[in-house]
Amino acid sequence: DQQVKQNSPSLSVQEGRISILNCDYTNSMFDYFLWYKKYPAEGPTFLISISSIKDKNEDGRFTVFLNKSAKHLSLHIVPSQPGDSAVYFCAAPRNSGGSNYKLTFGKGTLLTVNP
Amino acid sequence: DTGVSQDPRHKITKRGQNVTFRCDPISEHNRLYWYRQTLGQGPEFLTYFQNEAQLEKSRLLSDRFSAERPKGSFSTLEIQRTEQGDSAMYLCASSYALGVEKLFFGSGTQLSVL
Repeated sequence: DQQVKQNSPSLSVQEGRISILNCDYTNSMFDYFLWYKKYPAEGPTFLISISSIKDKNEDGRFTVFLNKSAKHLSLHIVPSQPGDSAVYFCAAPRNSGGSNYKLTFGKGTLLTVNP
Repeated sequence: DTGVSQDPRHKITKRGQNVTFRCDPISEHNRLYWYRQTLGQGPEFLTYFQNEAQLEKSRLLSDRFSAERPKGSFSTLEIQRTEQGDSAMYLCASSYALGVEKLFFGSGTQLSVL
């Protein structure tokens, strides 16, 4: 049962343009979401998060939007840079209240930013 | 702070052999986690320690798998009688138990069972 879904395995964008990575979830109990970035041969690194009490969270070039009614979130990267090329995972903790020890991850989206 | 360290980075073994992986978490982190990632999938939760206590194990963790965290510091994950289906990246992560947490992952151990 894939409770967190990333339906696009890959995305290619030009440097300087916007990258939009999408994530859908099925479990309405999820109340906190995280995005992780993973480079080859490295572990995932935390990028940005959002609580369900918000619909937007911004950190520099990265913005996450949450649409609870649609059970959908998206990560926007503006402007995209070649160093952003990586696999991006959407994740949600199975326990409510922000304790994220038991994360459910999506399958990931490989972002390629072309110079 | 040198991050989460995992050893070895790669392990190739024959089916039926036992393997052991080590994880050294960030020193002030009291929570330690093991995840497994197979090709084309996201990481999947295996088990979780708070200090030296193993508080939860996933059903993914069969009887052939055992994890320990003596003295609440480093952790080991042992797989007995390895099977080809055990081939995966084994990721260790740690966090500090204060409110909303963010996991810090190591680079993982890539296991290949021939």
